[in-house]
Amino acid sequence: AQSVTQPDIHITVSEGASLELRCNYSYGATPYLFWYVQSPGQGLQLLLKYFSGDTLVQGIKGFEAEFKRSQSSFNLRKPSVHWSDAAEYFCASLGSNDYKLSFGAGTTVTVRA
Amino acid sequence: GAVVSQHPSRVICKSGTSVKIECRSLDFQATTMFWYRQFPKQSLMLMATSNEGSKATYEQGVEKDKFLINHASLTLSTLTVTSAHPEDSSFYICSAGTTSGGVYHEQYFGPGTRLTVT
Repeated sequence: AQSVTQPDIHITVSEGASLELRCNYSYGATPYLFWYVQSPGQGLQLLLKYFSGDTLVQGIKGFEAEFKRSQSSFNLRKPSVHWSDAAEYFCASLGSNDYKLSFGAGTTVTVRA
Repeated sequence: GAVVSQHPSRVICKSGTSVKIECRSLDFQATTMFWYRQFPKQSLMLMATSNEGSKATYEQGVEKDKFLINHASLTLSTLTVTSAHPEDSSFYICSAGTTSGGVYHEQYFGPGTRLTVT
């Protein structure tokens, strides 16, 4: 079964600095991968997704992610964070047969002024 | 984009009572709806998958008699927590998606329902 791992539980970054969130996947075939963001007490919003094709994926809110098969990674990046980017970020993979999403444990991002 | 709503957004109930949570796809027809549970500071745990007109498929360890799911139409799924107890207090999130011809289309998430059982 597919799974994703987010090694970083909590990241603190200064406003204006760059951000990178790590995600590693475990899956034999090419996985379908997603990054979601969740603000406190809210549902999930899709930032971007990778199904196939170009390995650098552009998303909303200035985020991008790069699929690297050699490293089994799908790291999320943003060149310059804003205070509003403080939230919980989840990486997820999709089962090819049952369309079930498997979520990583999440990374909490704190933005300091 | 597609919108999924949940109602209520927050509910407090007494132990032993039942609570129904609605999940609606507002501007599209969802062939599949998913119900998740999220504990504080934790990730989402899939509880069950429901397809319109058929019985829900529950994940291992989820009590189907306690968490009743009904997917009566392509725009509405309900989760009923029966005989709720304090340990059922959690954040419940639904998502709705479509598949056609074996092709996956995006899941859209509702805003969640905060259930507190006293």
